Amino acid sequence: DAGVTQSPTHLIKTRGQHVTLRCSPISGHKSVSWYQQVLGQGPQFIFQYYEKEERGRGNFPDRFSARQFPNYSSELNVNALLLGDSALYLCASSLTPASGRFNEQFFGPGTRLTVL
Amino acid sequence: GDSVTQMEGPVTLSEEAFLTINCTYTATGYPSLFWYVQYPGEGLQLLLKATKADDKGSNKGFEATYRKETTSFHLEKGSVQVSDSAVYFCALSGANTGNQFYFGTGTSLTVIP
Repeated sequence: DAGVTQSPTHLIKTRGQHVTLRCSPISGHKSVSWYQQVLGQGPQFIFQYYEKEERGRGNFPDRFSARQFPNYSSELNVNALLLGDSALYLCASSLTPASGRFNEQFFGPGTRLTVL
Repeated sequence: GDSVTQMEGPVTLSEEAFLTINCTYTATGYPSLFWYVQYPGEGLQLLLKATKADDKGSNKGFEATYRKETTSFHLEKGSVQVSDSAVYFCALSGANTGNQFYFGTGTSLTVIP
């Protein structure tokens, strides 16, 4: 079975631009979460979506937004990019709460965003 | 709020040495605890987990025991290999935060032959 996939792998943008990152969860997983991992740090929670609704939001500005589609894939959008947005953006998927394994997350390889 | 404090690295060990990476946490209720591993250029892989006090998670020779009395979840391995070289992250999923994870800052491990 395919794991979590993310695209693109790498991305270079300039300050003020907009970026869209994409994630496809493992087949059967209905929850997707997004994390930002700055170099040398642990991942920081940005958003969680389950059943196409936002279920949680971390301490990130409104420039960050996301959505989940009917096929459970997800997009993360970042507007007005800043140098400090340069990071590895990780997507994670998990099963439903009813599975008893809702908090077992499987991570994709990430999208490396560089803002110049 | 919920948080994880992880032993700072980097850690360098010789092959077959004993490994301990310390992790302590702060959380309300009874969180689930995890260790993830990140190899160079890759995403995070779940190494092991424990969902309640006194549970022991284990995988690939690694072990960690959920100690509520000391709020700890230290990672151990009796004999490390060169292939264990990676960054290790301790994480928790809070009892009241769904599956939102809080990660430690990571510990880089290098194993030399």
